[in-house]
Amino acid sequence: DAGITQSPRHKVTETGTPVTLRCHQTENHRYMYWYRQDPGHGLRLIHYSYGVKDTDKGEVSDGYSVSRSKTEDFLLTLESATSSQTSVYFCAISSAGGPYEQYFGPGTRLTVT
Amino acid sequence: QKEVEQNSGPLSVPEGAIASLNCTYSDRVSQSFFWYRQYSGKSPELIMSIYSNGDKEDGRFTAQLNKASQYVSLLIRDSQPSDSATYLCAVNFWNSGGSNYKLTFGKGTLLTVNP
Repeated sequence: DAGITQSPRHKVTETGTPVTLRCHQTENHRYMYWYRQDPGHGLRLIHYSYGVKDTDKGEVSDGYSVSRSKTEDFLLTLESATSSQTSVYFCAISSAGGPYEQYFGPGTRLTVT
Repeated sequence: QKEVEQNSGPLSVPEGAIASLNCTYSDRVSQSFFWYRQYSGKSPELIMSIYSNGDKEDGRFTAQLNKASQYVSLLIRDSQPSDSATYLCAVNFWNSGGSNYKLTFGKGTLLTVNP
């Protein structure tokens, strides 16, 4: 998985609780991304980062926030989890922005009850 | 809305046959195109990238790009049962609103290779 780890790998939480997912990379890549994957929707971009403290929204960012205080770590926070946020979350990295390859981490399966 | 379309399948081929996976996209300006393989319960794995018109071969895999027709395909020769997976087409679109590129994925084609 290109030197990418995600934690936790599985999580069950209750509606209304905050949840933080972590992505850690050892590749020293500048760009990091958070996607969610749902049946019938495919992979959709939530947020991305183009450097430490530099982040921007993707197409499904409502209800999510991110932070990146170090090159190697990118955190995704669900402010107040809802059942619609039950999904599989993937982190991806890229050495450069622009039209270049992205490599994915192993994913986190999140269930909101 | 930039879109990437794939046949959802499932596509079923016998072992040893050629599997052909197709993808169309909506923006003529796109510059880079990728194929990912995703086994059930696993993360997407990049298997091919192609940037210019024509064919690109890597082992049993060949990616074909036709920008005029806005079409990209993946051929898998000598298909093996281990190739059974969902194949995702991804296209990097230029996002003029954000002045950046955005990778957009198709919903994937499920391929089954029968022994």
